[in-house]
Amino acid sequence: DIQMTQSPSSLSASVGDRVTITCRPSQRISNYLNWYQHKAGKAPKLLISVASSLQSGVPSRFSGSGSDTDFTLTISSLQPEDFATYYCQQTYSSPYNFGQGTELEIK
Amino acid sequence: EVQLVESGGGLVQPGRSLRLSCTASGFNYDDYAMSWFRQAAGKGLEWVSFIRTKVYGETTEYAASVKGRFTISRDDSKGIVYLEMNSLKTEDTALYFCARVGTIFGVVKNFDYWGQGTRVTVSS
Repeated sequence: DIQMTQSPSSLSASVGDRVTITCRPSQRISNYLNWYQHKAGKAPKLLISVASSLQSGVPSRFSGSGSDTDFTLTISSLQPEDFATYYCQQTYSSPYNFGQGTELEIK
Repeated sequence: EVQLVESGGGLVQPGRSLRLSCTASGFNYDDYAMSWFRQAAGKGLEWVSFIRTKVYGETTEYAASVKGRFTISRDDSKGIVYLEMNSLKTEDTALYFCARVGTIFGVVKNFDYWGQGTRVTVSS
């Protein structure tokens, strides 16, 4: 199984800040890496697919990069609605494991 | 608008069974693989199971933690995906989500739309 290591596990930031979350799979996964946003009581939302493809309707302040064993999610200027938990997930092979999540909190 | 609505959760004793349903609307259900996930309280997201479309033989995959106990199935005439959960354990307690699978030529790319979940509690 491919293990996903996501960091940091939590992050305090202010509106307008630039934040970066990293994700490292235990083996090479090409670009089979997705990023999701999850708010309590809501459906998880796909933000970025295949490492860097922004989903329709997702603000351009979100971006993804990386390949194989090193990936990042960047939010260029935090907005109040961005405070949530973020997960990376690999779809290179089953089981489709997630990182442990990054809880983004308001400073 | 794509909508996925889960139902069937509840309180059940260890060793018993429960069947979850996920009703899909707003897209051509026949063309999409479907999947189940779960999230235990205070924990992260966990993939549970996946079923391909009829074109790909409705083949299924399961996480090791549920293999042999859970069965995923689909009814294309109703736009519903099911998760039959048998021999339930306390560690199966979680919020269960269904999701639509984005694929390229049958290969999983992402899980692009999710429901809000149905809660399962396994306790005596």
